[in-house]
Amino acid sequence: QSVPTQPPSASGTPGQRVTISCSGRSSNIGNNDIYWYRHLPGAAPKLLIYRDNQRPSGVPDRFSGSKSGTSASLAISGLRSEDEADYYCAVWDNSLNAWVFGGGTKLTVL
Amino acid sequence: EVKLVESGGGLVQPGGSLRLSCAASGFTFRSSDFHWVRHSTAKGLEWVSSIGTSGNTYYAGSVKGRFTISREDVKNSLYLQMNSLTAGDTAVYYCSRGGDIGFDYWGQGTLVTVSS
Repeated sequence: QSVPTQPPSASGTPGQRVTISCSGRSSNIGNNDIYWYRHLPGAAPKLLIYRDNQRPSGVPDRFSGSKSGTSASLAISGLRSEDEADYYCAVWDNSLNAWVFGGGTKLTVL
Repeated sequence: EVKLVESGGGLVQPGGSLRLSCAASGFTFRSSDFHWVRHSTAKGLEWVSSIGTSGNTYYAGSVKGRFTISREDVKNSLYLQMNSLTAGDTAVYYCSRGGDIGFDYWGQGTLVTVSS
């Protein structure tokens, strides 16, 4: 099962802006909405971005999403220590008839 | 307040079966789609199965033919029957509500360990 590709790790210092990429194909990112989730193992995942670039209520505007073609990105500005977590993109795949999650990116705040 | 509470996880031998449950409250259950998503250290978050309001179901290729998702609207409950379990199914299993904005609410998860 083909999954979108994310870098395994990312890092930044407090206050910095970091971006996490998610690369897919026409059957998923190229034609469907992308979603971003934050996950701390042992806790419930949390929805951060829906429909490519929309924030649910309660998610700070430090988090933003974008998409171009078959790639998407999550940007986190004003980095804080509490942003340390695993971040996943997710999208419906028309060929697989299935949801696919990216491999996840572990964000470290130095 | 929206709540999703999973149960039914545990230790099972390879080839065995387990049935997970997810009790929902705080919203109109019958109007919502639901999903099971699992997490393991090796694979990260992995979608397992979905069920729509009309009972239409979808499965990941890795579980098709072995897992069955179902719902009981009168009990506000979601289920996942897991058969022919292998070590690769070891994970924390989460139920999630599928809303207009994606998987918007998640439970705390239940751990399934497949080992002899």
